Amino acid sequence: NAGVTQTPKFRILKIGQSMTLQCTQDMNHNYMYWYRQDPGMGLKLIYYSVGAGITDKGEVPNGYNVSRSTTEDFPLRLELAAPSQTSVYFCASSYLYGTGEGNTEAFFGQGTRLTVV
Amino acid sequence: AQTVTQSQPEMSVQEAETVTLSCTYDTSESDYYLFWYKQPPSRQMILVIRQEAYKQQNATENRFSVNFQKAAKSFSLKISDSQLGDAAMYFCAYRSATSGNTPLVFGKGTRLSVIA
Repeated sequence: NAGVTQTPKFRILKIGQSMTLQCTQDMNHNYMYWYRQDPGMGLKLIYYSVGAGITDKGEVPNGYNVSRSTTEDFPLRLELAAPSQTSVYFCASSYLYGTGEGNTEAFFGQGTRLTVV
Repeated sequence: AQTVTQSQPEMSVQEAETVTLSCTYDTSESDYYLFWYKQPPSRQMILVIRQEAYKQQNATENRFSVNFQKAAKSFSLKISDSQLGDAAMYFCAYRSATSGNTPLVFGKGTRLSVIA
């Protein structure tokens, strides 16, 4: 099992450029999330999805877009990158409902370090 | 909306000693899950321990245990026999067990230093 896979691991963007952060999971999880983590800070929710075709905004959605066409994939698109989007981005997934070990917690990708210059 | 508060931005502990990290949360739900995640310098988010709210017994995982006080909405993490590898950011997190539209909510984290 690969779990949650994020690509790329690192990226430098110029102001105004666009890019897509890829996230895929092979655990058949309903829930998928995108978080950003600024240096020394906690995780802020950008967008989440409870299933294919359903997405919703989190705490900090401005400047980002998502789509969920399949259960496995949940890409995050940055349009017109700004220095304020310099951060580490984490994708995560979990079951919608469940009990017991492995069925309640979120599993995380390894993160993407994005720098906008 | 649910909120999670970690009131200790930084903590330190001597190697082999015990440390407790605090977490409180606010919710009107009765069924939910609570988690502690560890984030070492590698940035990887690692699940340390989970607690299901309907279980009265406190969860334990080797040197890690929790003190879950449902009425007080408190969920502290105790690390016994601290090791140098325990140094990391620790995040407390909450998610609903019944609402499909309540995503995982994190506290701001506690940075734990372990002194040799």
